[in-house]
Amino acid sequence: QQQVKQSPQSLIVQKGGIPIINCAYENTAFDYFPWYQQFPGKGPALLIAIRPDVSEKKEGRFTISFNKSAKQFSLHIMDSQPGDSATYFCAASRRSGNTGKLIFGQGTTLQVKP
Amino acid sequence: DTGVSQDPRHKITKRGQNVTFRCDPISEHNRLYWYRQTLGQGPEFLTYFQNEAQLEKSRLLSDRFSAERPKGSFSTLEIQRTEQGDSAMYLCASSFSGITLGEQYFGPGTRLTVT
Repeated sequence: QQQVKQSPQSLIVQKGGIPIINCAYENTAFDYFPWYQQFPGKGPALLIAIRPDVSEKKEGRFTISFNKSAKQFSLHIMDSQPGDSATYFCAASRRSGNTGKLIFGQGTTLQVKP
Repeated sequence: DTGVSQDPRHKITKRGQNVTFRCDPISEHNRLYWYRQTLGQGPEFLTYFQNEAQLEKSRLLSDRFSAERPKGSFSTLEIQRTEQGDSAMYLCASSFSGITLGEQYFGPGTRLTVT
């Protein structure tokens, strides 16, 4: 059972554009939503994370928007650069009284053209 | 380097052989996770340790897989009688169960190829 659905599967933008990646979850018990960036042959690197008690969080050029009622959250990359070309994964977990294991989306491959 | 480290980075083995991977978490982290990632997919949870106790195992972890975390420090993941379907990237992550969000930090992974 797929608990976190991510879209689109791939995305191409021009340098300076604002790619948006969307995720939807099913389990209302999830209370932690991180985004990871992964380059080929490397492990995922934590970018930014949000809790459901806030609707938006910004860290540098990365912004998470969170809609609790719709059970959706998204990643926006401002002023995207060719170095941002990577695969991005959303994830969700239930931290309270739980193991905190992450349930990942299927990933979005982003290409930023110069 | 104080991040999560994994060894080896690559392993090629023949079907039927046993393999063992090692993970060294960030030193103050008491939680350790193993995930498996196949090409084009997100990581999938395999197992979780809090200190030395293995508290959860995924149904993906067949009886050919075993993991340990002696003394609550490094961890090993062993696969016995490897099959071609075991070919994947095996990722280790660690976190601290304190007042933070419990962010998980991943190692570089061990790429397993079963021929």
